[in-house]
Amino acid sequence: EPEVTQTPSHQVTQMGQEVILRCVPISNHLYFYWYRQILGQKVEFLVSFYNNEISEKSEIFDDQFSVERPDGSNFTLKIRSTKLEDSAMYFCASSTQGGQDYLFFGPGTRLTVL
Amino acid sequence: AQRVTQPEKLLSVFKGAPVELKCNYSYSGSPELFWYVQYSRQRLQLLLRHISRESIKGFTADLNKGETSFHLKKPFAQEEDSAMYYCALRGGYQKVTFGIGTKLQVIP
Repeated sequence: EPEVTQTPSHQVTQMGQEVILRCVPISNHLYFYWYRQILGQKVEFLVSFYNNEISEKSEIFDDQFSVERPDGSNFTLKIRSTKLEDSAMYFCASSTQGGQDYLFFGPGTRLTVL
Repeated sequence: AQRVTQPEKLLSVFKGAPVELKCNYSYSGSPELFWYVQYSRQRLQLLLRHISRESIKGFTADLNKGETSFHLKKPFAQEEDSAMYYCALRGGYQKVTFGIGTKLQVIP
């Protein structure tokens, strides 16, 4: 069964450094998402992406964040200058029909900012 | 604004006992409601959605628009049901809002 994959599984970085989290969505899916979960808190929506552009984003997704689909398979989340409060589990998800379908999640990348 | 409330962070039940995981939502339009589950060391995955009206692994959930609730129920808990359960809501477009989650612990 096809699955969403994410790399790395754990990323440790220094405050102020740039990080790129990578995801490979399911191949026939058209909608891509990033969510994050700070330890002990709820899973929060960051951004959705369709047809090579951001379709919806939350107030968390400020200028420090960007997303890209650099080729036909990868979907990346970049944090330009990491802060301590960016430490969280970041989940990539994909779906076939956006508003008419449910989400298939990746296993997550644990980001630790020191 | 869309909001999902799961009042219990932890629910412990004995094997064979009934289970009810509570979920209340706030949304002004017609939402789509989901239950996602995360078993130990596994990824978050869909358990069921209200539009499907089906029973998955013995679980059911009914959308009650009057009470703005979408409680998850199972008549007889099994040990393999132990997991984190997240209620989620999709409002107008693509954003899905999650509750904080309830950890279900089934005691043998």
